[in-house]
Amino acid sequence: AQSVSQHNHHVILSEAASLELGCNYSYGGTVNLFWYVQYPGQHLQLLLKYFSGDPLVKGIKGFEAEFIKSKFSFNLRKPSVQWSDTAEYFCAVNAGGGSQGNLIFGKGTKLSVKP
Amino acid sequence: EAGVAQSPRYKIIEKRQSVAFWCNPISGHATLYWYQQILGQGPKLLIQFQNNGVVDDSQLPKDRFSAERLKGVDSTLKIQPAKLEDSAVYLCASSLITGFYNSPLHFGNGTRLTVT
Repeated sequence: AQSVSQHNHHVILSEAASLELGCNYSYGGTVNLFWYVQYPGQHLQLLLKYFSGDPLVKGIKGFEAEFIKSKFSFNLRKPSVQWSDTAEYFCAVNAGGGSQGNLIFGKGTKLSVKP
Repeated sequence: EAGVAQSPRYKIIEKRQSVAFWCNPISGHATLYWYQQILGQGPKLLIQFQNNGVVDDSQLPKDRFSAERLKGVDSTLKIQPAKLEDSAVYLCASSLITGFYNSPLHFGNGTRLTVT
């Protein structure tokens, strides 16, 4: 069965520190990859997505992610975090051919940024 | 544009009782999804509608869960009877069409259900 692993449950950083959140998935075929973010008290929203082409994708608010097919990974990065980036981040995968809404989510990584 | 509306925001019930959640998607969005998010886990798809037809309900526990979208707009999700393990946040999402690339999912704020 497909699964998504997010390596860190809770990450604490100071402002201006660099961020990398790990995400690995288990599926050998074509995948679509997503990162969603949930700010405190708000709904889930799309941060960025990868379907095909350039494996380095850029999203909103300065976030980017790199798809490394050989490592089954889609890590999220940001060079310099801000206090407003405090949120929970979810990696999600949709296997090619599956229901469009059948995203497999990871358990999430809570990011706390200290001012 | 107005977002995905869900009600109620919170619900506490005893086990074996029934409960219903309501969702109104973004206007014009043909596709509607219900997800279950148990504490400490990511959301899991329960059911997907395209207009008023079911596209995928493979992960819906049909012995106790039901969902409908009669007029292809708003939707209700019902649990009857509820079990303790149904305690979770129930998320509704919608998208313009089923294709992902130009049609991202928009999530509501969810309904937090506690079963005691």
